Amino acid sequence: DADVTQTPRNRITKTGKRIMLECSQTKGHDRMYWYRQDPGLGLQLIYYSFDVKDINKGEISDGYSVSRQAQAKFSLSLESAIPNQTALYFCATSDSTTGTSGGAGNEQFFGPGTRLTVL
Amino acid sequence: SQKIEQNSEALNIQEGKTATLTCNYTNYSPAYLQWYRQDPGRGPVFLLLIRENEKEKRKERLKVTFDTTLKQSLFHITASQPADSATYLCALRGGATNKLIFGTGTLLAVQP
Repeated sequence: DADVTQTPRNRITKTGKRIMLECSQTKGHDRMYWYRQDPGLGLQLIYYSFDVKDINKGEISDGYSVSRQAQAKFSLSLESAIPNQTALYFCATSDSTTGTSGGAGNEQFFGPGTRLTVL
Repeated sequence: SQKIEQNSEALNIQEGKTATLTCNYTNYSPAYLQWYRQDPGRGPVFLLLIRENEKEKRKERLKVTFDTTLKQSLFHITASQPADSATYLCALRGGATNKLIFGTGTLLAVQP
């Protein structure tokens, strides 16, 4: 089973609709992130959470909200979707206590992505 | 302004050659830099991390260098194979921030 899962994998919706993207992880990591990826722009951080009671805005949080329902679950909502939110969305996790460099590395583990199209 | 730059043009090389990808940054003082591989339609996968006090890091056919004076990291794949074809992303974390900032990636195509 995948360590980081995202649902749905693909979604087509209309302008103005409310959309929720969900992310679950079985890695036991405390930190979770939401990114969007657009061609030529790379990965941009939307929101991140370092534990269940911690939520922080990233570079491009306008038009998005998040909820950290449990350590293993982090959902992203688009309250009123617009066409320029069409993108590939990734959830990622990291562990603040371990890493390849003994804790300082915090490499991130990504989910398979959700392709969202807003018409 | 802060910027991370990777060559936006695809790198095409012949199988067996060494691929070298570049990551340049400005107005950051990263404590460490990471490299990820991304295949089409998939999430990035972590490859290597190098700290600011390390000049070089190796893992199998991969080698990363980090020059904080030049503000540059080089990513090498030796004896490249068609299976190495993918987009490679560099990402850095600066100082007290716990956020990773990603470059736009370079597409590597290894021809058989």
